[in-house]
Amino acid sequence: GQQLNQSPQSMFIQEGEDVSMNCTSSSIFNTWLWYKQDPGEGPVLLIALYKAGELTSNGRLTAQFGITRKDSFLNISASIPSDVGIYFCAGTNFGNEKLTFGTGTRLTIIP
Amino acid sequence: EAQVTQNPRYLITVTGKKLTVTCSQNMNHEYMSWYRQDPGLGLRQIYYSMNVEVTDKGDVPEGYKVSRKEKRNFPLILESPSPNQTSLYFCASSLGSPDSHNEQFFGPGTRLTVL
Repeated sequence: GQQLNQSPQSMFIQEGEDVSMNCTSSSIFNTWLWYKQDPGEGPVLLIALYKAGELTSNGRLTAQFGITRKDSFLNISASIPSDVGIYFCAGTNFGNEKLTFGTGTRLTIIP
Repeated sequence: EAQVTQNPRYLITVTGKKLTVTCSQNMNHEYMSWYRQDPGLGLRQIYYSMNVEVTDKGDVPEGYKVSRKEKRNFPLILESPSPNQTSLYFCASSLGSPDSHNEQFFGPGTRLTVL
């Protein structure tokens, strides 16, 4: 099955830094989802985007639905230790329950 | 509390010994799905179910079976497990209605080791 290209694959940052990651697809989606997975746990939904060009925030997290509908971006401002984990994007289309997942971005905070 | 539960969380078994991983959701969701997660391969869908008695293959269905006799439960069955089925398994559910944007909620995962 298709996987979305997510970059970077991993990030090593210091506490307090801002983080940016993105996800690209060869096909169009009309919904983009961003999940975070802590070690040993299931993915947890962070943000859902429903409209091209939409910018949505959830606390320190901001995500954007790309205008072409083939990409999405996630920013984390002022990172804190609990932001450590793997972030996944997922694309889906209205009326089709299948999620197509990105390859994941592993975020590590250096003390 | 709205949640997806899976049991067991950890399982070590031997090749060929049939096993079932249970999944239950309390959100009255119509859609349920099983994924496996492997290093470097991300999340891959095994089977999914749009509603009771309706199941279909995902991307990697070989070696697995599912059933959906009740809306809340969606067990994953490995009739004859093999070492290449050692993985981290997740169950997920979503509303599944025609108006749904398919926001799937995941269970905590089941780590399976087949010796």
